[in-house]
Amino acid sequence: GAVVSQHPSRVICKSGTSVKIECRSLDFQATTMFWYRQFPKKSLMLMATSNEGSKATYEQGVEKDKFLINHASLTLSTLTVTSAHPEDSSFYICSASSRQETYGYTFGSGTRLTVV
Amino acid sequence: GNSVTQMEGPVTLSEEAFLTINCTYTATGYPSLFWYVQYPGEGLQLLLKATKADDKGSNKGFEATYRKETTSFHLEKGSVQVSDSAVYFCALSGSQFYFGTGTSLTVIP
Repeated sequence: GAVVSQHPSRVICKSGTSVKIECRSLDFQATTMFWYRQFPKKSLMLMATSNEGSKATYEQGVEKDKFLINHASLTLSTLTVTSAHPEDSSFYICSASSRQETYGYTFGSGTRLTVV
Repeated sequence: GNSVTQMEGPVTLSEEAFLTINCTYTATGYPSLFWYVQYPGEGLQLLLKATKADDKGSNKGFEATYRKETTSFHLEKGSVQVSDSAVYFCALSGSQFYFGTGTSLTVIP
């Protein structure tokens, strides 16, 4: 089945630094990738949708300059948290879909970001 | 608009007990419905799905039936195991995925 690999699984960074999270589709071409943020004991909130080769579409309230999303190829999307602060600490999950996948998406295993 | 309402947790059951996690939805059109499971420290895994009314999704002993008349997609399992302890998310697909708030299930031996 379709597999999405997300790295790193855990990262601790200092306040003010930037962190990059990678999301790769291993055995299919992901025309669309989604980035979610999960707060403790809460559901997943969609942050942005990215289509290969075009700019990401951000959900209302998500800072574009803080959460940089790049989807330069059909198998890789990256989320960079710039100038991270402790309030950015969260669980970030990506998902990917291909043109052939009408329903459902494949999720990565998530990245636990802790900003100290 | 689209939304998913899921029963509040946490839910604690003894092994072999019957499980029901309620999920209702509001949607325009005819969305597909999903249940995802998240084990501790991991991402989401698709548990089951149904794409049209009266469809029943099933996997690993879990079942859910797409009920258009009651706009529901309740998750059931006849006999839970300790290994079923996880957070369960109900979701529907529209222009994006809409998730419920998740229900934490703990199964005790």
